[in-house]
This record gives sequence, C-alpha cells and structure tokens, in this order.
Amino acid sequence: DAKTTQPPSMDCAEGRAANLPCNHSTISGNEYVYWYRQIHSQGPQYIIHGLKNNETNEMASLIITEDRKSSTLILPHATLRDTAVYYCIVRVAPSGGSNYKLTFGKGTLLTVNP
Amino acid sequence: GAVVSQHPSWVICKSGTSVKIECRSLDFQATTMFWYRQFPKQSLMLMATSNEGSKATYEQGVEKDKFLINHASLTLSTLTVTSAHPEDSSFYICSASTVSYGYTFGSGTRLTVV
Repeated sequence: DAKTTQPPSMDCAEGRAANLPCNHSTISGNEYVYWYRQIHSQGPQYIIHGLKNNETNEMASLIITEDRKSSTLILPHATLRDTAVYYCIVRVAPSGGSNYKLTFGKGTLLTVNP
Repeated sequence: GAVVSQHPSWVICKSGTSVKIECRSLDFQATTMFWYRQFPKQSLMLMATSNEGSKATYEQGVEKDKFLINHASLTLSTLTVTSAHPEDSSFYICSASTVSYGYTFGSGTRLTVV
C-alpha cells in the first residue's frame, strides 16, 4: 500500500471550512484515496473516496491533485461535532468481500473550536 | 446501507476469563471481516482477517490461540479473547468491506480486564 503523510493536528473555527491535507506520493494507478474519521471512542466512519477526479458528497469534498500525489479533504462548514481524528488511506478498491487490508496511519486530529 | 453492528459496546471481565465480541453485517453479506485493536491515543492496529467458512489470517505478533476468530456465516464474525489479562484491555473494532462504501466499521467494544 502507498504510504500517506498527514499533519498530526489541526484547528478550525466553527462554521469555517476545514481543509485537511494528505500526501501520498507513491500512490499507484489503481489505488484509491479513502478518507475516514474516528470520533472519540467510536468506530471509524467512512467519509469519501476517489481515484483521480474530485468528489463531493453530503459530508465533504475530496480534491485530488492532477499527479495524484496529494489530496485535500474539505469540510465546508465545520461544526463542533466534526472534531475527530481523520485518516487518509490509499488502497485498491475492495470488490465486495475482498481480503485487501485497510491499514491506518496516525491521522490528523482536527479540533473545531467555538 | 452497509451497517455493521458490534456487540457488546463495553464489557468488564475478570482476569483469566474469556470474552466474546460479535460483529454482524445487518444489510449485506460480509465474506470478509477485519478485526482491529486500538490502545488509548494510538491508531487502529489490524489483528486479523476473518473469512467466512475458513480459518482467519492473523497479523504478525497476534496470538491466534488467544484471540479466537470464528466467521461461521456471511453475516456474523466473532472474536473471543481467551484467558484475558489486564494488558488485553483495549478498544476492539470490526470491519467489513463493501463495494459501494469501501470498508464499514462497527461501533467498537471497550474491553476492560480487572
């Protein structure tokens, strides 16, 4: 799996956009970028994933650079409930029942301040 | 869709006893499930990959005789911590892979061994 690098922590003001960067310079052509978050004492929650095009859903937007060596997760209007550890993971897409393992790094602790 | 239910959410047991944790896929069939362990302020560490109808594959350093995994059906995988000791106290999380959502996680089980 391609290794990812994320800042250990970030702060964001409530109501502002939170932009979380991730470097994955060794990503392969068939590897997707996944983002998960983990609120304290809960299981990780899927946020979004993408291959090379920018993606948007009800939770966030994912911006992937043209060379795919880095990406940014954007929470457009951060709330206090968005305080969590955010994990950027690079992996081939599972084809339902795949044995491919999902390996977590240390992630970024995003703290949303009032 | 793609909900994984994990039970119990927390358990306290005496040293030397065994504890079983259940992980169920509620609205899909999970051929493969994954078990993670997370110590305080650390990231998730993969323990084993559970395959329906076959033996689990354990990560290096994880004792297969201590952490028994059974995946007898397409909707249920169990992790049994045998002869638990205080150092086994941790947050255990299961996960399953799906086509649409990547990997979906249970809510976790907080195990405390006293």
